Amino acid sequence: DTGVSQDPRHKITKRGQNVTFRCDPISEHNRLYWYRQTLGQGPEFLTYFQNEAQLEKSRLLSDRFSAERPKGSFSTLEIQRTEQGDSAMYLCASSPVGREEETQYFGPGTRLLVL
Amino acid sequence: GNSVTQMEGPVTLSEEAFLTINCTYTATGYPSLFWYVQYPGEGLQLLLKATKADDKGSNKGFEATYRKETTSFHLEKGSVQVSDSAVYFCALKGTNAGKSTFGDGTTLTVKP
Repeated sequence: DTGVSQDPRHKITKRGQNVTFRCDPISEHNRLYWYRQTLGQGPEFLTYFQNEAQLEKSRLLSDRFSAERPKGSFSTLEIQRTEQGDSAMYLCASSPVGREEETQYFGPGTRLLVL
Repeated sequence: GNSVTQMEGPVTLSEEAFLTINCTYTATGYPSLFWYVQYPGEGLQLLLKATKADDKGSNKGFEATYRKETTSFHLEKGSVQVSDSAVYFCALKGTNAGKSTFGDGTTLTVKP
């Protein structure tokens, strides 16, 4: 069990550019979640998948944000036309389905800075 | 909607002091409750959890009891160590909900 991994760990981009982040969940975890965390705040829910199906999206997820989990394993989060307000830590988590499904295991996060 | 309110920080204690970090929540139904810890430069780690009323979660000397009557899940430790210095987040996951709702975190600093 290698835990949830995220790539890259850090990303600096210029306003208006597109960025894509990747998350690899714990193997055999059916559920995968994306959160955003800004300084001094707790994580805010963005979206989650069960297998390849995207089951819920937050109103925080504007049209510039899109997430995919095409084969039910890894997931990508893309931000188009980045804005300075997108600067944050983007967290991925996964959980099994079943008895322990309420427990989410978090990755180390991708820190995004938009200049 | 669901919400979590945490005691504002930062909290600074001397080693071996008693710790309490207050957490109250608003939710419909019977949520599961969690405390997560984030050490400097690291990701969120589950510290403990409780899934029903009156359950006590415990780990590494930390404890929290699910109190439905007061909608609270306060974190306690009898004797803190310098290595407990971190940010602590209270969270809930609603019944049949996918997402978790987090508090804003409480920064704990323990001095030798």
